[in-house]
Amino acid sequence: GNSVTQMEGPVTLSEEAFLTINCTYTATGYPSLFWYVQYPGEGLQLLLKATKADDKGSNKGFEATYRKETTSFHLEKGSVQVSDSAVYFCALSVGNKLVFGAGTILRVKS
Amino acid sequence: GAVVSQHPSRVICKSGTSVKIECRSLDFQATTMFWYRQFPKQSLMLMATSNEGSKATYEQGVEKDKFLINHASLTLSTLTVTSAHPEDSSFYICSAMGLAGSISYNEQFFGPGTRLTVL
Repeated sequence: GNSVTQMEGPVTLSEEAFLTINCTYTATGYPSLFWYVQYPGEGLQLLLKATKADDKGSNKGFEATYRKETTSFHLEKGSVQVSDSAVYFCALSVGNKLVFGAGTILRVKS
Repeated sequence: GAVVSQHPSRVICKSGTSVKIECRSLDFQATTMFWYRQFPKQSLMLMATSNEGSKATYEQGVEKDKFLINHASLTLSTLTVTSAHPEDSSFYICSAMGLAGSISYNEQFFGPGTRLTVL
């Protein structure tokens, strides 16, 4: 079946630190991969996506590369800000259906 | 951008009563809507997919008689939790995809969620 595993949190970083949130997946076929972010009190927002192997998604300083050989889609940011504090979800899609990881809470301290 | 709202944001009800949650697309036509359930510290679980004017398609293990989904218009879907029990307490999230004029939204836009507590 299709599943997504992402690192447990919470992840606590100081401002300007480097961020990595690991995500691996299991899928039949060729899924698209996504990172969503959920700020407190708000709905999930699409942060970035990649639709095929070796694609790199990027947005707001965040990046993730679709690695088929390691079935991974790790999220990275070079310098986090307090405003990046949120819950981050890795997901894959097969057709229109999304399969989510458990989410990783990120806390950035000033 | 595409905006999805949910109402109410929080609801508390007594065991045995029914609760209706609304999901609205505010600036586009939602041809497809999705309902998810999220347990504390766990992932979002897809409950059902609905297309406007059609019956919802439920995921395996989701009781369709307990979780009634209606998608009667291109801007509104409702989820009714019938005869709610404490184990139905959860965070319910909807999402939608569709059209705004000639623009086709192929990604899901999410509502802010509804926290249901059944006493």
